[in-house]
Amino acid sequence: GAGVSQTPSNKVTEKGKYVELRCDPISGHTALYWYRQSLGQGPEFLIYFQGTGAADDSGLPNDRFFAVRPEGSVSTLKIQRTERGDSAVYLCASSQSGGASDTQYFGPGTRLTVL
Amino acid sequence: AQSVTQLGSHVSVSEGALVLLRCNYSSSVPPYLFWYVQYPNQGLQLLLKYTSAATLVKGINGFEAEFKKSETSFHLTKPSAHMSDAAEYFCAVSLRRSNQFYFGTGTSLTVIP
Repeated sequence: GAGVSQTPSNKVTEKGKYVELRCDPISGHTALYWYRQSLGQGPEFLIYFQGTGAADDSGLPNDRFFAVRPEGSVSTLKIQRTERGDSAVYLCASSQSGGASDTQYFGPGTRLTVL
Repeated sequence: AQSVTQLGSHVSVSEGALVLLRCNYSSSVPPYLFWYVQYPNQGLQLLLKYTSAATLVKGINGFEAEFKKSETSFHLTKPSAHMSDAAEYFCAVSLRRSNQFYFGTGTSLTVIP
């Protein structure tokens, strides 16, 4: 079946601009996660959705970052007033129920470059 | 605070040799433990996970890992490296009442023909 997909695969923007990154999880998965992966680092947790609600957004670095999942499926990560330090690969993952032992299935990521 | 340490950001082995990638965690309670592999331009793929059943866990592609509570370790091994094993490997932990995964910084495996 289809895995997790993310669009766009690459996004280049200028400092100060607004960007949206999209994630399509595996059908039927209630849990959805966003991570940020900087060069040479492991993925860093940003936010976790259970259904339509953000169950844990403690990883969002500041209020420029926001994510939604209005219908409990597709999610959008939104970054306002982008800064050069936001450049990274943004990963999305989904799992069947969101339990701590559940396998998370990852998308290929969106590489964001802020000039 | 939870953390994951992967010793050795780069590991090189000869084809056919033993692969050993190290992972140590810090947690006040036994966590769930995972190994993921990331091939170039692809998403992370689960190799195996420990969820408090058998301490020796077998995964895909001939990999296995052993949970050692006394050493707080979950090292990944494969008896004989193949060229196709060249990739980035990440160890991750999650806690029983948490929804957060904590990833290590990764180990890049190179297989020399």
